[in-house]
Amino acid sequence: QQQVKQSPQSLIVQKGGISIINCAYENTAFDYFPWYQQFPGKGPALLIAIRPDVSEKKEGRFTISFNKSAKQFSLHIMDSQPGDSATYFCAASKENNFNKFYFGSGTKLNVKP
Amino acid sequence: EAGVAQSPRYKIIEKRQSVAFWCNPISGHATLYWYQQILGQGPKLLIQFQNNGVVDDSQLPKDRFSAERLKGVDSTLKIQPAKLEDSAVYLCASSLATGYNEQFFGPGTRLTVL
Repeated sequence: QQQVKQSPQSLIVQKGGISIINCAYENTAFDYFPWYQQFPGKGPALLIAIRPDVSEKKEGRFTISFNKSAKQFSLHIMDSQPGDSATYFCAASKENNFNKFYFGSGTKLNVKP
Repeated sequence: EAGVAQSPRYKIIEKRQSVAFWCNPISGHATLYWYQQILGQGPKLLIQFQNNGVVDDSQLPKDRFSAERLKGVDSTLKIQPAKLEDSAVYLCASSLATGYNEQFFGPGTRLTVL
């Protein structure tokens, strides 16, 4: 059973546009939701993370929106740049579960110049 | 600060052969993870160590995969014998401890089984 479902699988955005990636989860015990960015040939790196006590977190051009009742969260990339072209993974974990992450299937973002 | 080191970066083997991967986590990180990332999918946790003890190996195919973390630092992941479906990138990650802690990933080992 897939714990975290991610969409879309791929996304093409023009430079300066907004990229939106969505994730949904089933387990209401999840209480930590990170987003990881992965460039080809590299391991994933933490981009931004949120806990369910807030509905939004912003860091620069990257924003996580969190809807606890709908069990959904999304990543918004404002003013998308070609350098943002990468694969993005959402994940979820729960406290007292030894920091075990359940990853989504990934979204390959291509920002066209 | 040095990141998570992995070797080799690439490995090509025939099916039924054996292979081993090595990981050196960030100094001081108590928790170490091995993930399998099949092309086009998200990382899947294979095994998680807290110091040198296993805390989760529920998705490790124990008939062919094994892992150890001697002295709570370096770790090795072994596959014996390899199958075609084991072709993937094997990622090692580490974090300070349990709880809400960032996992730092190494560059991975790309395994191709022919």
